[in-house]
Amino acid sequence: DVKVTQSSRYLVKRTGEKVFLECVQDMDHENMFWYRQDPGLGLRLIYFSYDVKMKEKGDIPEGYSVSREKKERFSLILESASTNQTSMYLCASSERLAVRNEQFFGPGTRLTVL
Amino acid sequence: GQNIDQPTEMTATEGAIVQINCTYQTSGFNGLFWYQQHAGEAPTFLSYNVLDGLEEKGRFSSFLSRSKGYSYLLLKELQMKDSASYLCAVTSVFKAAGNKLTFGGGTRVLVKP
Repeated sequence: DVKVTQSSRYLVKRTGEKVFLECVQDMDHENMFWYRQDPGLGLRLIYFSYDVKMKEKGDIPEGYSVSREKKERFSLILESASTNQTSMYLCASSERLAVRNEQFFGPGTRLTVL
Repeated sequence: GQNIDQPTEMTATEGAIVQINCTYQTSGFNGLFWYQQHAGEAPTFLSYNVLDGLEEKGRFSSFLSRSKGYSYLLLKELQMKDSASYLCAVTSVFKAAGNKLTFGGGTRVLVKP
């Protein structure tokens, strides 16, 4: 069974803290994605990676960075957390060259920045 | 850019049928997904359409018209467990990743007894 896991389901941090969100997939997928999900706005792409050490900005990369040192692991970093980064963060993975390119999602991390 | 519209919320009765519409404007269209997301859980795949027409899978069907930029998800014989958000997502070619998904805001469906 395919699986995408995220390090925390709930996280509370203070403004200015550095925050790491970890995602691991066991499907040997090349692509990995980070989204945030806010009411009424849907899922918005922050960053994605199509290979180890490769990354591309999505639609809302400001205030975030990413790291992909191993194929199975993709980290989202908030260098200095702010209250407007309070959100649900979802990680996903997909095969790079599949015709359908279905994305498989992790359970999400609900981050609150105080 | 990409623009995807779907209703915010719909209510229906157990056993009934509900149709969730999705309209989109996009460049490089490469297919449309519907995902289901229960509160506090990950989105899970429901359907994928790349050609015009209807795809049926049990109680769920999805329709696509590429010329009209329109899709709908049809849920038949509604059950209480179908109460969830339904996400319309358009896939388009995007750099080295192959495809990128752009999501609508989601439609929350509430099934009442």
